[in-house]
Amino acid sequence: NAGVTQTPKFRVLKTGQSMTLLCAQDMNHEYMYWYRQDPGMGLRLIHYSVGEGTTAKGEVPDGYNVSRLKKQNFLLGLESAAPSQTSVYFCASSYSSDRVRRAGELFFGEGSRLTVL
Amino acid sequence: SQQGEEDPQALSIQEGENATMNCSYKTSINNLQWYRQNSGRGLVHLILIRSNEREKHSGRLRVTLDTSKKSSSLLITASRAADTASYFCATERVGSARQLTFGSGTQLTVLP
Repeated sequence: NAGVTQTPKFRVLKTGQSMTLLCAQDMNHEYMYWYRQDPGMGLRLIHYSVGEGTTAKGEVPDGYNVSRLKKQNFLLGLESAAPSQTSVYFCASSYSSDRVRRAGELFFGEGSRLTVL
Repeated sequence: SQQGEEDPQALSIQEGENATMNCSYKTSINNLQWYRQNSGRGLVHLILIRSNEREKHSGRLRVTLDTSKKSSSLLITASRAADTASYFCATERVGSARQLTFGSGTQLTVLP
């Protein structure tokens, strides 16, 4: 199993450009998340999804859009990138049930490092 | 806003010593988790403690939870140079869909 895979791993954008980060998981998890990590601030939740076709806002959703057309994929889009969106983005997934062995645990990808000039 | 806050922000110890990190949070939780992050890598789950548990062990890790004080501690015994990493506590709030709120982390350096 690959677990959670994020693409691309690195990207440099100019202000105003758009891009999409792709997250794929092969663990049949119901829940998926996008976090951003900035120095000294830990991880902050951008958007999340509790199932195929559903999305919801997290703590810092402004400037981002997401889609979950397939259960295994969760896309994060930046329509018009700003320097404030320079960050490391992490995708994660988890089971919804409390009855599985690793219930509650989030499985993370390796991160996508985005720089907006 | 950060739900969890770790203390200390940075910790440097010698190999073989124990490392203790603390976490405080603000709201009622279902569980509290600790994650590890090596430099430039993703987060890896270490241990989960539920709100009705007070202490949990996993190998060289010991986690305590005091819901009355809204605090938790992570103890790593007999530390190794390979334990050098950032450690984050994360809380799953009551009523959230497995959404975790992370603290800002403790940077642990274990000197050989």
